Amino acid sequence: AQSVSQHNHHVILSEAASLELGCNYSYGGTVNLFWYVQYPGQHLQLLLKYFSGDPLVKGIKGFEAEFIKSKFSFNLRKPSVQWSDTAEYFCAVNAKTSGTYKYIFGTGTRLKVLA
Amino acid sequence: NAGVTQTPKFQVLKTGQSMTLQCAQDMNHEYMSWYRQDPGMGLRLIHYSVGAGITDQGEVPNGYNVSRSTTEDFPLRLLSAAPSQTSVYFCASRRLAGGRGKETQYFGPGTRLLVL
Repeated sequence: AQSVSQHNHHVILSEAASLELGCNYSYGGTVNLFWYVQYPGQHLQLLLKYFSGDPLVKGIKGFEAEFIKSKFSFNLRKPSVQWSDTAEYFCAVNAKTSGTYKYIFGTGTRLKVLA
Repeated sequence: NAGVTQTPKFQVLKTGQSMTLQCAQDMNHEYMSWYRQDPGMGLRLIHYSVGAGITDQGEVPNGYNVSRSTTEDFPLRLLSAAPSQTSVYFCASRRLAGGRGKETQYFGPGTRLLVL
């Protein structure tokens, strides 16, 4: 069965530090990859997505992610985090299973940025 | 355009009580789904629907029922609440036809449920 792994459950950084959150998936076919963000007390919203083409995708608020097919990875990066980036980040795969596209989410990474 | 709306925002139930969590979307999305979010477990799919009259089970369907009589609404019913159902519930919707998996999923604001 397809799955998504986020190995960092909690990350604490100081402002201006660089961020990289890991995401690995297991699925042999074509995948569509997403990162969603959930700010405290809010619902999930899309940060960025990858379908095909340039494996480096840019999203909102200075985030980017790189798709490395050989490693089944889609890591999220930001060169310099801000206090307002404190949130929970979810990696997700949308792939065809039993005839229907289904979203599978990772367990999430809680990021706390210290001012 | 309100997007995905959920009611109530917060609910406390006693074990054995029943309730319905409401979800509605005004984007004419074919696909709707319910997730529960628990610490350390991310979002787990409870039930989903690919259109009016069509529903199917997700990863964790036990204890929950759904129906989809219209495109807009997708209520989630707890027939006999248990403490293990204490969670935050998110409804989501997205387009289905022709997108081949590229569709962004839109989430509601969530319902916090506490079962005593």
